[in-house]
Amino acid sequence: DAGITQSPRHKVTETGTPVTLRCHQTENHRYMYWYRQDPGHGLRLIHYSYGVKDTDKGEVSDGYSVSRSKTEDFLLTLESATSSQTSVYFCAISESIPGQGQETQYFGPGTRLLVL
Amino acid sequence: GDSVTQMEGPVTLSEEAFLTINCTYTATGYPSLFWYVQYPGEGLQLLLKATKADDKGSNKGFEATYRKETTSFHLEKGSVQVSDSAVYFCALSDQRTDKLIFGTGTRLQVFP
Repeated sequence: DAGITQSPRHKVTETGTPVTLRCHQTENHRYMYWYRQDPGHGLRLIHYSYGVKDTDKGEVSDGYSVSRSKTEDFLLTLESATSSQTSVYFCAISESIPGQGQETQYFGPGTRLLVL
Repeated sequence: GDSVTQMEGPVTLSEEAFLTINCTYTATGYPSLFWYVQYPGEGLQLLLKATKADDKGSNKGFEATYRKETTSFHLEKGSVQVSDSAVYFCALSDQRTDKLIFGTGTRLQVFP
């Protein structure tokens, strides 16, 4: 157990509404990530954070924003949800050594989001 | 850019059969390579990893060897069990960005 929780675990919402997903860690790791998982695509990186208030975009960041005001929490916000954002969202943490490519990531249990 | 290619599933086997799931990669430099497993309804768990050429990662009876000459990291197990039924993801760590790049996953179904 890597000490990662995600909330909510399931959510149904309507198109155009804002949605915020929360990732909480107890490991005090520096790096946190948000992915989405869709059939045929594996996992794709949305946004990531390398410290408090330090975030950057991933491969599929359009329509998403993030915030990290505390080490332990990383929030993902869909400003105006669309049906294409129906997916399973995973948070991950790591304590990699930059530039050494030895990153091991530990994943949360996921949030299943349905946008109607 | 860097990428990972996995064999399409599902892979369907009888209990105690030999398993191979193929994974090849394209990368500049020398990435670390990983296998993650996802059981139904759960997040991904690290299964094994290798950080340099000819390294063999192993865990729970699974093995994979980092083959630089063939840019491969195939997952093997000598005798699968029903409890091994899951989706398996191959991934590499981009050495420039420290981010993981995943394959699309291979579903394994093991029947008694």
